[in-house]
Amino acid sequence: QQQVKQSPQSLIVQKGGISIINCAYENTAFDYFPWYQQFPGKGPALLIAIRPDVSEKKEGRFTISFNKSAKQFSLHIMDSQPGDSATYFCAASSSGATNKLIFGTGTLLAVQP
Amino acid sequence: KAGVTQTPRYLIKTRGQQVTLSCSPISGHRSVSWYQQTPGQGLQFLFEYFSETQRNKGNFPGRFSGRQFSNSRSEMNVSTLELGDSALYLCASSLIPNQPQHFGDGTRLSIL
Repeated sequence: QQQVKQSPQSLIVQKGGISIINCAYENTAFDYFPWYQQFPGKGPALLIAIRPDVSEKKEGRFTISFNKSAKQFSLHIMDSQPGDSATYFCAASSSGATNKLIFGTGTLLAVQP
Repeated sequence: KAGVTQTPRYLIKTRGQQVTLSCSPISGHRSVSWYQQTPGQGLQFLFEYFSETQRNKGNFPGRFSGRQFSNSRSEMNVSTLELGDSALYLCASSLIPNQPQHFGDGTRLSIL
């Protein structure tokens, strides 16, 4: 119940295309869903986050779509660029409990020029 | 504004030794969490501190411990190191609990 399932494991997208990464969860107590971007040799960097009171949040080229009934959320990267090539992690936490983040297994994104 | 600072960046130890890793949170942040990242297990929560108190602990053996100081800086200690402890240890800070967490670049620990 504590798991967050992430797919795909890897993704190749052409420059200018849309990258889509999906995550699913079981624990209905989760109420905070961030996405992190990690480059080799660096720590995860917070990209964008959403809470269940909205179905979509957009920041620049990054959009989170959230489906509460399906217990799924996804990251869309519009106009993908080679500089977006990195590993992306979804995560979830329950604000009533702790700062503890449960992470997905990660998606390695390669954007081809 | 400086980010989360972790020292050292790299560490090599042998089995049976112990190690202490340090984390300085973003200025003004009072909550610190630690995570372990490995290729096999991914990112796993170790523990969380706020106001010098451990608020939560992940599913790790008692060899893993931590503390937080009055200036919010935190340390984690691993005793009796095992080969399986080789990992990237990440520290994250937030203003207070339940606020967005920002990670440092980690300490890469290798056990020989």
